[in-house]
Amino acid sequence: QLVLTQSPSASASLGASVKLTCTLSSGHSSYAIAWHQQQPEKGPRYLMKVNSDGSHSKGDGIPDRFSGSISGAERYLTISSLQSEDEADYYCQTWGTGIWVFGGGTKLTVL
Amino acid sequence: EVQLVQSGAEVKKPGESLKISCKGSGYSFTSYWIGWVRQMPGKGLEWMGIIYPGDSDTRYSPSFQGQVTISADKSISTAYLQWSSLKASDTAMYYCARPAGQGSSSAINIWGQGTMVTVSS
Repeated sequence: QLVLTQSPSASASLGASVKLTCTLSSGHSSYAIAWHQQQPEKGPRYLMKVNSDGSHSKGDGIPDRFSGSISGAERYLTISSLQSEDEADYYCQTWGTGIWVFGGGTKLTVL
Repeated sequence: EVQLVQSGAEVKKPGESLKISCKGSGYSFTSYWIGWVRQMPGKGLEWMGIIYPGDSDTRYSPSFQGQVTISADKSISTAYLQWSSLKASDTAMYYCARPAGQGSSSAINIWGQGTMVTVSS
């Protein structure tokens, strides 16, 4: 079964970097994923797609501070030079034939 | 500009029916799947189902099969999510979304603004 697992919460200081993790279920380590950001009281926004070869392609207007990477079944979103507006929920998403799957989301607190 | 524009907030009573909409523009509506995503208050995103407006091929998450109906009217580039008998537990924000590619197997890169549905007696 295709499942994405995320830690419920993360925190980092203003100006620092943070790496969020999304883990693909066993047998699905070759899947690409997407990262979406949801700021408080707003709808989700597409950030980027992270491919199984580690390359990533960002959405329009997404700052260079946001980047994606992989290691095995783990997919990462790294945010550098954290700003207050980065405090948000971050969801990973993947897909199969006729299905979409979301991770449970990580709530990022900027200290 | 590619956009998905959803219908406005709804307040309904348990047992009532409801149909909310999602209008696509700026692209070939019949060539891309559109999906629906639920977000209950304070909770995460849940995929409900997807539809291909070109031929109305529809797939549902097992969690939502039989609970809702997804449809589309390609003549007006609009997808729908409907309930025949609402429950209080249907209270949530509902988003429509479109993948980047012309298959269902692709990253979502376009989101609607959301429709809040409140079910209360």
